[in-house]
Amino acid sequence: QAVVTQEPSLTVSPGGTVTLTCGSSTGAVTSGHYPYWFQQKPGQAPRTLIYDTSNKHSWTPARFSGSLLGGKAALTLSGAQPEDEADYYCLLNYSGARVFGGGTKLTVL
Amino acid sequence: EVQLVESGGGLVQPGGSLRLSCAASGFTLSNYRMHWVRQVPGKGLVWVSRLNIDGSSTTYADSVKGRFTISRDNALNTLYLQMNSLRAEDTAVYYCARGYPAYYDSWGQGTLVTVSS
Repeated sequence: QAVVTQEPSLTVSPGGTVTLTCGSSTGAVTSGHYPYWFQQKPGQAPRTLIYDTSNKHSWTPARFSGSLLGGKAALTLSGAQPEDEADYYCLLNYSGARVFGGGTKLTVL
Repeated sequence: EVQLVESGGGLVQPGGSLRLSCAASGFTLSNYRMHWVRQVPGKGLVWVSRLNIDGSSTTYADSVKGRFTISRDNALNTLYLQMNSLRAEDTAVYYCARGYPAYYDSWGQGTLVTVSS
């Protein structure tokens, strides 16, 4: 089974910009992996921010955006807010089977 | 209002079985792909299984293949995860989530499964 890699932790200043990435052990991440990004805060179920690389749900703040960058899926947060401090997970689709990344703990400090 | 409510978790001995339920309300389960995802408290998310829209196709993570079975009851609008030959490493909170065409927009609150003697 493929391994999906994310930065274990990142720190961003309030109002700053940060990019989280999601790589695959099988090679470049493409739109065919239908990348998802989820946000999870302590004690809560995950919440989907981005689906199919760059699409947003109605509740996704405009400061979050998804893309493909250098062979990886990327989640960019522009103008970080204190409430964005959370764990972020990507999910890739491998012809039906899904694999989550290990998650990135984002600190806003 | 769309709602998913998991139940059926609890303490089970290694080698035992458990069936989790995910009761859906506010929508018709059979119109969506449905997924099970698990999470050891304090650790990351792990995708477990998927049931396609017409119920004809299932997919499993390698770690549960051959031991877990995903299914649904359309009349009860409920998703299930039958878990057999349970191991200590299956201990986790299990979530159900609504997939395509809703793109994981709804998750349950989770049910805790503990495998221990």
